[in-house]
Amino acid sequence: DGGITQSPKYLFRKEGQNVTLSCEQNLNHDAMYWYRQDPGQGLRLIYYSQIVNDFQKGDIAEGYSVSREKKESFPLTVTSAQKNPTAFYLCASSRGGLSTEAFFGQGTRLTVV
Amino acid sequence: AQSVTQPDIHITVSEGASLELRCNYSYGATPYLFWYVQSPGQGLQLLLKYFSGDTLVQGIKGFEAEFKRSQSSFNLRKPSVHWSDAAEYFCAANPMNRDDKIIFGKGTRLHILP
Repeated sequence: DGGITQSPKYLFRKEGQNVTLSCEQNLNHDAMYWYRQDPGQGLRLIYYSQIVNDFQKGDIAEGYSVSREKKESFPLTVTSAQKNPTAFYLCASSRGGLSTEAFFGQGTRLTVV
Repeated sequence: AQSVTQPDIHITVSEGASLELRCNYSYGATPYLFWYVQSPGQGLQLLLKYFSGDTLVQGIKGFEAEFKRSQSSFNLRKPSVHWSDAAEYFCAANPMNRDDKIIFGKGTRLHILP
């Protein structure tokens, strides 16, 4: 079945460490997105990519980095510069262009300990 | 600035009662519009979408939404809610420009009374 897979589902990190969240899709979608979700704040866009080897900052990119070396993969690194990284992270993809909806993974819960 | 607004953070309805969740958008032109549902600890699932044509769109799980251009609204409705409908609901828009950035509202959490 086609879909979008995030791993791991739960992740624990010590303060000062970088951590990478995986996002893979086999939907042949051009566009991919990373969102952060905190209680009461909805979804906030971290980074998005419309095509391989290109990506743009979203509204809260500070302390995060991404790469898009392959169409299927869009990993997110949460760096030690991110002051408050504990959150639920959602990856999504879409065909790109007009009139396309986003498809979501099941999310990764990151906790800094 | 382009935006999607969901004015209600929480809504509580009794099981079997009707439901309406509000969504307003602010764009120069009518965007493509979506409603998603999220159960706790899960990703988002698409309920329905509006691109053009008939302003009343049907979705999954018995939901429908009506697009009203004059009010810049895209409200979600269900005639009779079930306990399993308790979740968070997000309205979203694709603004139809080259930026192609999908914008979400902050969500409405639906609580169901038995």
